[in-house]
Amino acid sequence: AQTVTQSQPEMSVQEAETVTLSCTYDTSESDYYLFWYKQPPSRQMILVIRQEAYKQQNATENRFSVNFQKAAKSFSLKISDSQLGDAAMYFCAYRSANRGSTLGRLYFGRGTQLTVWP
Amino acid sequence: DTGVSQDPRHKITKRGQNVTFRCDPISEHNRLYWYRQTLGQGPEFLTYFQNEAQLEKSRLLSDRFSAERPKGSFSTLEIQRTEQGDSAMYLCASSPQGARADTQYFGPGTRLTVL
Repeated sequence: AQTVTQSQPEMSVQEAETVTLSCTYDTSESDYYLFWYKQPPSRQMILVIRQEAYKQQNATENRFSVNFQKAAKSFSLKISDSQLGDAAMYFCAYRSANRGSTLGRLYFGRGTQLTVWP
Repeated sequence: DTGVSQDPRHKITKRGQNVTFRCDPISEHNRLYWYRQTLGQGPEFLTYFQNEAQLEKSRLLSDRFSAERPKGSFSTLEIQRTEQGDSAMYLCASSPQGARADTQYFGPGTRLTVL
């Protein structure tokens, strides 16, 4: 089974500064998707950004961007100009793109709790 | 889209009782997923439906758990003879057909507390 590792249980950043959250994963597949989800204290999981493994270009969504290193199996999230509303638990997730019995499920890391200081 | 909705948001029950949760996916999303999340952990996959067909079940889904999606729209997750270890947040997600079929959109979850 695929595993997703987030080695930083907690991170903190000053408002308006930049922070990077780390994620590594283990897979033998060549085609897959990677995601970052945000889970604020209200507990609703919100999609932040999505990356297709066959694309070399790193995904960006406004202040959020990723550094996708396929050979290293690394998928970090950079948050620029951090805002108080960015404070949340961030989860990295993996999904196979191959048809088969495990098609559909997301594999999540344990999360990184981000605190934003004013 | 009104988003994925789940009902109830909170459920407190006594050990041994049965509970049922409901999930309404985003309209026209044909895929529906159930996950369980315990404190300090990421969500863990439970089961997956494509339309009304249950295509995958995790080993986490013991015989006490059953999920249905009878008409390919809403889904229910039932836990029989609840145990304290069942206390968790139960999350539902849905995904569309087509180009973004890989992307799952989550509901607010149902928090279950078993006393």
